[in-house]
Amino acid sequence: DAKTTQPPSMDCAEGRAANLPCNHSTISGNEYVYWYRQIHSQGPQYIIHGLKNNETNEMASLIITEDRKSSTLILPHATLRDTAVYYCIVGSLYNQGGKLIFGQGTELSVKP
Amino acid sequence: EAQVTQNPRYLITVTGKKLTVTCSQNMNHEYMSWYRQDPGLGLRQIYYSMNVEVTDKGDVPEGYKVSRKEKRNFPLILESPSPNQTSLYFCASRRLLRNTGELFFGEGSRLTVL
Repeated sequence: DAKTTQPPSMDCAEGRAANLPCNHSTISGNEYVYWYRQIHSQGPQYIIHGLKNNETNEMASLIITEDRKSSTLILPHATLRDTAVYYCIVGSLYNQGGKLIFGQGTELSVKP
Repeated sequence: EAQVTQNPRYLITVTGKKLTVTCSQNMNHEYMSWYRQDPGLGLRQIYYSMNVEVTDKGDVPEGYKVSRKEKRNFPLILESPSPNQTSLYFCASRRLLRNTGELFFGEGSRLTVL
């Protein structure tokens, strides 16, 4: 079973920031938070990951709460091409055969 | 360009006719894995490999075989396909020695077993 909880769907206006929440209250100390997205039925695409600190890359920012029980993925200026299913995953690529358990994700619709 | 390539992308076959889905990566990754994606069930890991000649079962290995004779290739073999193996299949790879967090996925192979 997925160890994360995400809203099933969200809308965002084009050009605005998209803030996607994720709850992972049972995360253990050595587990990372990963975000991937899947556009239509293409292969999932890695976005960002973090352990404790907030992270930023060219695609997004990841904000992790101090108790690590929740996080938020921020797409600073959403475009129509960001419409996708976003998966929040907790785990370690060094455990359980590197398995990442993909839940149902959040379907983000970016609207003009 | 760094990529994971799967073939075929689409296949319709009949029960019992052996088939192989190929997966090749050009990034010299040690780790490779196969997933299947079904509505309502998310992505589930079938098999994975940590390096050449090293493979292990994931969550749903029944009915599948894999081999890792070369670092770049990780074919998925369905010896006797059945309709419950109708699914969307993804191959993925990553470097093993650094926890970059990034699994590279192929574009997927949509398999229908009649």
